[in-house]
Amino acid sequence: DTAVSQTPKYLVTQMGNDKSIKCEQNLGHDTMYWYKQDSKKFLKIMFSYNNKELIINETVPNRFSPKSPDKAHLNLHINSLELGDSAVYFCASSQGMVPGGSQFFGPGTRLTVL
Amino acid sequence: DQQVKQNSPSLSVQEGRISILNCDYTNSMFDYFLWYKKYPAEGPTFLISISSIKDKNEDGRFTVFLNKSAKHLSLHIVPSQPGDSAVYFCAASSQTGANNLFFGTGTRLTVIP
Repeated sequence: DTAVSQTPKYLVTQMGNDKSIKCEQNLGHDTMYWYKQDSKKFLKIMFSYNNKELIINETVPNRFSPKSPDKAHLNLHINSLELGDSAVYFCASSQGMVPGGSQFFGPGTRLTVL
Repeated sequence: DQQVKQNSPSLSVQEGRISILNCDYTNSMFDYFLWYKKYPAEGPTFLISISSIKDKNEDGRFTVFLNKSAKHLSLHIVPSQPGDSAVYFCAASSQTGANNLFFGTGTRLTVIP
């Protein structure tokens, strides 16, 4: 049973396109996150959602928009893709907002913008 | 502005020996620290954590040590096994930062059989 799943695993697209990455968790968690791992392997949080409310929004361009249709899903939409958006994007989930509470990560989506 | 640093990108250790992975942080507000393990093509997996009220936490072969005055933590793996070969990420968070985790850039551990 996959706890946190992401689709697609690989995504190659042209600059300027709009794309989405889907994330689903079957752990019953109430908080979900998106992280970006850049070419320097630096893993940085982008968003988190708790009970359908955006509660963390780091300095991420507004071309990125998280959408949560329900507690088990947090999709990431990216408009007008740029070369610098190329990275691995990880979805994660946790129960509650306990600081340091262990987050469960998906396998990642490698996005390549040409 | 990297608040969590892992200065050793890689480490090789003989099977059966001790592996010591190090991590430094700059933000004194951090009060919870975690180690994650990552295999290729998979997401990070939670390994062990420690609260700032402790200086040591042990779970089987894994022990995390925290030195608050030095803003330093380390992960000890004893004895090291080939299956431990992976990238290890240190992460930190604070009570005021909700569950916002700040990650280091990882250390690739290779355990040689």
